[in-house]
Amino acid sequence: EVQLVESGGGLVQPGGSLRLSCAASGFIFSSYSMNWVRQAPGKGLEWVSYISSSSSTIYYADSVKGRFTISRDNAKNSLYLQMNSLRDEDTAVYYCALNFDYWGQGTLVTVSS
Amino acid sequence: DIQMTQSPSSLSASVGDRVTITCRASQGISNYLAWFQQKPGKAPKSLIYAASSLQSGVPSKFSGSGSGTDFTLTISSLQPEDFATYYCQQYHSYPITFGQGTRLEIK
Repeated sequence: EVQLVESGGGLVQPGGSLRLSCAASGFIFSSYSMNWVRQAPGKGLEWVSYISSSSSTIYYADSVKGRFTISRDNAKNSLYLQMNSLRDEDTAVYYCALNFDYWGQGTLVTVSS
Repeated sequence: DIQMTQSPSSLSASVGDRVTITCRASQGISNYLAWFQQKPGKAPKSLIYAASSLQSGVPSKFSGSGSGTDFTLTISSLQPEDFATYYCQQYHSYPITFGQGTRLEIK
């Protein structure tokens, strides 16, 4: 059974940093590309970032480019999102997703002073 | 970027009804279109991929159609568990984009 479990969310001040993790199990993690998607409170879904299986190809949404860094450790079956220079508008539930067929339960990031 | 526009934004229907949600892409995306269902406080659930292919385990009451720029999601014989928010998504090219969502409410 595919399982994706996000962690690392919390309350952070504007300008601060946070690192999200996504622990994957139930599939061959190293064979699949992964994505991060976020959802601000009461709003719709926003794609954030993509990483290929070997990390050779990475994409970011314009809204996070230059501030967020996606990475993965295939040996640890883990996906990461390093978030720097956080803004109020980054407040959201962050989901990791496998091909968008499977989603984690999400982790809430709140940026507020 | 490819913009996805869903209509309607909200929809009221009764148990047993059949409803259709429309999604329009700002440029042609072939059939690189997916539909998701999301209930409050839960992660999105994949319903349909490639415009009309049903995900494993999704009941056949859900169906999708379309190609190019115009797509539809149809839900037949609505049941209480179907009342949720539905999103379309294009994965033709990055940045991947979602429609704004359609909230399906009980009349």
